[in-house]
Amino acid sequence: GDSVTQTEGLVTLTKGLPVMLNCTYQTTYSPFLFWYVQHLNEAPKLLLKSSTDNKRTEHQGFYATLHKSSSSFHLQKSSVQLSDSALYFCALRSSALGRLHFGAGTQLIVIP
Amino acid sequence: NSKVIQTPRYLVKGQGQKAKMRCIPEKGHPVVFWYQQNKNNEFKFLINFQNQEVLQQIDMTEKRFSAECPSNSPCSLEIQSSEAGDSALYLCASSPPGLGNEQYFGPGTRLTVL
Repeated sequence: GDSVTQTEGLVTLTKGLPVMLNCTYQTTYSPFLFWYVQHLNEAPKLLLKSSTDNKRTEHQGFYATLHKSSSSFHLQKSSVQLSDSALYFCALRSSALGRLHFGAGTQLIVIP
Repeated sequence: NSKVIQTPRYLVKGQGQKAKMRCIPEKGHPVVFWYQQNKNNEFKFLINFQNQEVLQQIDMTEKRFSAECPSNSPCSLEIQSSEAGDSALYLCASSPPGLGNEQYFGPGTRLTVL
């Protein structure tokens, strides 16, 4: 069945450093990949989405490229800010029914 | 910003009590989803609708959980007999029609079952 794997449960970084959060997926269908960010006590908000192979998508300084050959959609940012501290979820939508399959999430903590 | 409205934001029930929560999807979004996010932040899909019709639901939903999305009324998710393990954040999301469209989440209803 469909699944998403996020390997890092917790990432702690100093402000200004680059970050990469890993996301790999499994599906037999044509994938749509999403990154959601969830701040404490808030709703998950869409950060990025892609269904196009090898095309970089960017939003609010974050970027990711869907690589179907390696089934990956890693999230990156060149310089993290304190306000980036949050939970980040990678999600897959591959069927006509449209439900999302979420990864376990990565908690990003940015320290001064 | 998402315009999905969920009420109440917090719900406290005793074991065996009914728990009901509501969701108003974004205008123009015919597809509605319910997810459960547990204390470990894991998401579990519960049920989804398109224009009042159930598309898919998991076994858990078929037993103690019931949900509906009537036309011209809020969608609702109800737990007939709450259990301690039901304590979680219940998230409603809506999506425009189409395979690749993103889902927009409401702020959730945090259910605590004592």
